[in-house]
Amino acid sequence: DSGVTQTPKHLITATGQRVTLRCSPRSGDLSVYWYQQSLDQGLQFLIQYYNGEERAKGNILERFSAQQFPDLHSELNLSSLELGDSALYFCASSSAGGEGNEQFFGPGTRLTVL
Amino acid sequence: GESVGLHLPTLSVQEGDNSIINCAYSNSASDYFIWYKQESGKGPQFIIDIRSNMDKRQGQRVTVLLNKTVKHLSLQIAATQPGDSAVYFCAELTNTGNQFYFGTGTSLTVIP
Repeated sequence: DSGVTQTPKHLITATGQRVTLRCSPRSGDLSVYWYQQSLDQGLQFLIQYYNGEERAKGNILERFSAQQFPDLHSELNLSSLELGDSALYFCASSSAGGEGNEQFFGPGTRLTVL
Repeated sequence: GESVGLHLPTLSVQEGDNSIINCAYSNSASDYFIWYKQESGKGPQFIIDIRSNMDKRQGQRVTVLLNKTVKHLSLQIAATQPGDSAVYFCAELTNTGNQFYFGTGTSLTVIP
């Protein structure tokens, strides 16, 4: 158990819908990362927050957004969902950010868009 | 229907043998590298990291080698055990410190 929690574990929805994925980092970790893992693209970095502020942006679509709240939990919002958004979404946390700070991954949320 | 998926390189080793998993990276601006292990149904798990000012780092049963000349990273696992069966990813962090890039991974199967 990494100490990072993600909810829900599974999510099934229809195209065009909007969903929110939630992540609680390990106690004391200030940095949260979101990743997408799909069958055809492997693990892709989406976005990183540090202490409530966006720190780095990866391959995140404009239909997706995220935020980190004062209590350090984070939410990833996915809107206008398409079939290709079906994937595992992982959250990871680290004490700070960048080099030398080990990232601890949560168990993931499996999103299925029908 | 037909399933389409990522065709991962695969490596099968006998229990007790040493394993070597390779990774090529493309960004010469990358200066920090991490190896992750992902077991089926779980999130990636940190194994070992290395900075670009080093060419070798050892952990418990694992060694990472970095060859910056050819942009190559390898993970050596000594005395491979059935519990080592998993997908192994390398990740690189650019020297701006802002983005992690992951390799597609190698699937390791340990034969008892």
